Amino acid sequence: EPEVTQTPSHQVTQMGQEVILRCVPISNHLYFYWYRQILGQKVEFLVSFYNNEISEKSEIFDDQFSVERPDGSNFTLKIRSTKLEDSAMYFCATLAGNDYEQYFGPGTRLTVT
Amino acid sequence: GIQVEQSPPDLILQEGANSTLRCNFSDSVNNLQWFHQNPWGQLINLFYIPSGTKQNGRLSATTVATERYSLLYISSSQTTDSGVYFCAVEVTGTASKLTFGTGTRLQVTL
Repeated sequence: EPEVTQTPSHQVTQMGQEVILRCVPISNHLYFYWYRQILGQKVEFLVSFYNNEISEKSEIFDDQFSVERPDGSNFTLKIRSTKLEDSAMYFCATLAGNDYEQYFGPGTRLTVT
Repeated sequence: GIQVEQSPPDLILQEGANSTLRCNFSDSVNNLQWFHQNPWGQLINLFYIPSGTKQNGRLSATTVATERYSLLYISSSQTTDSGVYFCAVEVTGTASKLTFGTGTRLQVTL
């Protein structure tokens, strides 16, 4: 069973539009991560979020991106004005168990046209 | 930043064959995980193995942290083992980001 679910599973949007990707934890988690994977490439870190604050972000995570936990349960990634190069699979992850093992959600495939 | 390299990049096996996938990393790590990305794109946890050896069914993994490498062994491969295998490392602190390797694409044929 996954520790997190993600919605939508696939989103198609036009360039310049805003998108919000959602991550829903199964149980109460404090740590969240967003990663992305451009088709055929490796998985890249975007941002980590702990106790309702950004704890670490990559150079990819520029001003077009934002994260929040609006209602204490869902965890969202917003892209303000999508570009063609934002097309990728976006994964949410969290920690589970007694160690620091990260578990990934099923992903949202974002296609920007 | 840390470099994580995996070999081989591509591997084709006949069902029933054994294989060894390698992950080399350029710096000390606190955490190392192996994942299987299935044909639907999902990342499935295989091992959390910052050091030592673990086994789970037909799969086993060994990490030699002092020599900066990890190995994933697949025995008696099945077609369902096909997909991409990634190792990922955490360099500093705890609960920080994972840096992924470039992956090994495995195809198991009948």
